[in-house]
Amino acid sequence: DAGVIQSPRHEVTEMGQEVTLRCKPISGHNSLFWYRQTMMRGLELLIYFNNNVPIDDSGMPEDRFSAKMPNASFSTLKIQPSEPRDSAVYFCASSLWGGVSNQPQHFGDGTRLSIL
Amino acid sequence: QQQVKQSPQSLIVQKGGISIINCAYENTAFDYFPWYQQFPGKGPALLIAIRPDVSEKKEGRFTISFNKSAKQFSLHIMDSQPGDSATYFCAAILTGANNLFFGTGTRLTVIP
Repeated sequence: DAGVIQSPRHEVTEMGQEVTLRCKPISGHNSLFWYRQTMMRGLELLIYFNNNVPIDDSGMPEDRFSAKMPNASFSTLKIQPSEPRDSAVYFCASSLWGGVSNQPQHFGDGTRLSIL
Repeated sequence: QQQVKQSPQSLIVQKGGISIINCAYENTAFDYFPWYQQFPGKGPALLIAIRPDVSEKKEGRFTISFNKSAKQFSLHIMDSQPGDSATYFCAAILTGANNLFFGTGTRLTVIP
């Protein structure tokens, strides 16, 4: 079975450029999460969706960050304009949400983003 | 504010030894506590999980011990192997929700 698929795996770009990260969740999962991982701050939840609707975006650092989920099989995380402090590994995860807390999240292998 | 506190930050264990990682939480509304294992270049993967109505759960060499009154839980890896070398994260989920609150991670190194 295909897991959560993220693209690209690595992205290197210059400060000020727009960055778009992509995620395809596991088929049948109805919750999708975007995380950022850094050495300093660990794993941070940025935003999550239930049934394609954003539920909590309180973790989004600032207006430069935006996320969309146009359908059940695709989501994007955009940073515009990008800054060096945005350099991190960004993970997407998905789960099957049915109103019960014990549904495991399945993570992709992440996008390593470097802003020069 | 860190909702879940994890220690130690790093751990070195001899092959065959027991690895112990501890976590603590404050919010009594948490009702599900998973542990994730992460290898370099990979995303975290669910290892084992426990609900607060159970004091211990064992899966192979991995055991979670849960102390509800102390609001603490721990992961024990018995007979640690070099292949267990990874970063381990504890986490917690609020009742009725599905967003994880992660600990800061423990980097485990098992020496052959």
